[in-house]
Amino acid sequence: GESVGLHLPTLSVQEGDNSIINCAYSNSASDYFIWYKQESGKGPQFIIDIRSNMDKRQGQRVTVLLNKTVKHLSLQIAATQPGDSAVYFCAESNTGRRALTFGSGTRLQVQP
Amino acid sequence: DGGITQSPKYLFRKEGQNVTLSCEQNLNHDAMYWYRQDPGQGLRLIYYSQIVNDFQKGDIAEGYSVSREKKESFPLTVTSAQKNPTAFYLCASSIKGGYNEQFFGPGTRLTVL
Repeated sequence: GESVGLHLPTLSVQEGDNSIINCAYSNSASDYFIWYKQESGKGPQFIIDIRSNMDKRQGQRVTVLLNKTVKHLSLQIAATQPGDSAVYFCAESNTGRRALTFGSGTRLQVQP
Repeated sequence: DGGITQSPKYLFRKEGQNVTLSCEQNLNHDAMYWYRQDPGQGLRLIYYSQIVNDFQKGDIAEGYSVSREKKESFPLTVTSAQKNPTAFYLCASSIKGGYNEQFFGPGTRLTVL
């Protein structure tokens, strides 16, 4: 597969545990945020998004938290499964830039 | 099936040659994007297009060119002016630009020998 993220920060968790992946952003004008999952050799897949008028949004087994005060975004995955092993990217957008800006990513490794 | 297709999956070219990467979508999306991905880095925006016959430079447009003659197609040409073209190239589309989920294609791995 593709050698995506050879030097990415890695989060290693046990199967069944909860995972928290963090992302810091710098642009105070950012008002739309999105999390993607990328498996080796594939394009990114949408997980969940959130707009700046919200602090929290939940999906199936995932929760995104947004703290605009400290410009921090997190992705929580409940009951992590081996299939969750991948690289996770946060991305942001704002009214002045009608395209996403991606973070550098975090590799999640789930130990059976 | 609706989606985004990129072809080929792997592409090899000699240094100094221009090469065009294909991206097609049948999602009826207005906006399309090209990203470059290198190991240890996130996705970097090359070009994007909000509508047919219009496109804007992204963060790393030098050495690349695009066209948007049809809504469903957004080909990317990697020219000989791109100093380090070997990378994984990803195409994406969204209903509109900005506050919308982008759907990604499977990517093209370009290797320049």
